[in-house]
Amino acid sequence: DIVMTQSPDSLAVSLGGRATLNCKSSQNVFYNSNNKNYLAWYQQKPGQPPKLLIYWASTRESGVPDRFSGSGSGTDFTLTISSLQTEDVAVYYCQQYFSTPLTFGGGTKVEIK
Amino acid sequence: QPQLYESGPGLVKPSETLSLTCTVSNGSISSRSYYWGWIRQPPGKGLEWIGSMYNGGSPHYNPPLKSRVTISTDTSKNQFSLSLNSVTAADTAVYYCARLVALRGGNWVDPWGQGILVTVSS
Repeated sequence: DIVMTQSPDSLAVSLGGRATLNCKSSQNVFYNSNNKNYLAWYQQKPGQPPKLLIYWASTRESGVPDRFSGSGSGTDFTLTISSLQTEDVAVYYCQQYFSTPLTFGGGTKVEIK
Repeated sequence: QPQLYESGPGLVKPSETLSLTCTVSNGSISSRSYYWGWIRQPPGKGLEWIGSMYNGGSPHYNPPLKSRVTISTDTSKNQFSLSLNSVTAADTAVYYCARLVALRGGNWVDPWGQGILVTVSS
């Protein structure tokens, strides 16, 4: 199984500040034949299901604000929130879909400082 | 965008079978562009993929659960179901049904159902 490790566990950022969330996979999730990283990011607010933010490591889902961006390749990935808003308070999860079983990271909780 | 809605009992006794149904609206589960699956989240914890399948295909299950899980589809009702037998307290979780995009071998999850809390207790 591919183990996904997220850091930090929690993060407090000032309004308008930058949040940087990390995700590391235990195996490479880059597929050479199509030049794609098989990684997605989700946002989960309290009492709600997760919501897809990003897939292919850096492709923003339709309707997701452009302050959210994904980067990285291979085994190391980053989700950046460029200017944190109150509505961004949530837990963020990464997920690999390179192989089954599909696996998720343990999450990073983002709060306002 | 389809909407998914989980239904089933919120309380199951230990050693019994957990059975949930997901009803899909505004989208057909017959589409080969998508998988349909289940993911769970124990209270206060992270996400665990249970399994998924596309209509007419063979399901894929998470190995630790494989011996206890069955996922099936009912195209006549545009529903898919989860059965998990021999449950214990460790199976207490919010269970989400979800659509998984099947593109270039990719399986990201979008959208998710609202989730249903299932408690295993006598």
